[in-house]
Amino acid sequence: KQEVTQIPAALSVPEGENLVLNCSFTDSAIYNLQWFRQDPGKGLTSLLLIQSSQREQTSGRLNASLDKSSGRSTLYIAASQPGDSATYLCAVRIQGAQKLVFGQGTRLTINP
Amino acid sequence: AAGVIQSPRHLIKEKRETATLKCYPIPRHDTVYWYQQGPGQDPQFLISFYEKMQSDKGSIPDRFSAQQFSDYHSELNMSSLELGDSALYFCASSIGLAGYEQYFGPGTRLTVT
Repeated sequence: KQEVTQIPAALSVPEGENLVLNCSFTDSAIYNLQWFRQDPGKGLTSLLLIQSSQREQTSGRLNASLDKSSGRSTLYIAASQPGDSATYLCAVRIQGAQKLVFGQGTRLTINP
Repeated sequence: AAGVIQSPRHLIKEKRETATLKCYPIPRHDTVYWYQQGPGQDPQFLISFYEKMQSDKGSIPDRFSAQQFSDYHSELNMSSLELGDSALYFCASSIGLAGYEQYFGPGTRLTVT
């Protein structure tokens, strides 16, 4: 059974810092991995999608990497801003299935 | 760009009542997914449909049923509601069964009293 773990559960940093969020998964047989952002009580906004054959994806200040063999992904946020404060979730799509399996998320707070 | 539409956005029901949630996928998306997110929890997959056929099933209670219609919209029917069904219900859509990105709707917040 695929399990997804995100560390840390919460992170608070001052504005302007670069930071890394971690995601690990137990079964490397995945189609892809998605990173999402969720504001309190709101929907899920897809940030980046990495296919299993890819090593990284970039969008603006965000960079996500994938090491499928070790079951790890990282989300790098450069020059953090207060507007980046949210919960960040990673999710893997396992092979042979349609569902996404989510981690518990990292609650990020950027302090002005 | 068009997004996934869910209705209603908020719903309050009493125990043992029924509820129907609707999802309208992004145009040309033929696959829809339903997820349930309890308070403080990560989203849990319920069920998915591709071309009006069930394509995958997760931890969906027997009290719940869903279908996808010819125009690709989907409905989640929930009966004999319990307090524990209170959650945010997300619908997502994508193109086909391959590893394409899933786009999520804003969710329906269901409160069972």
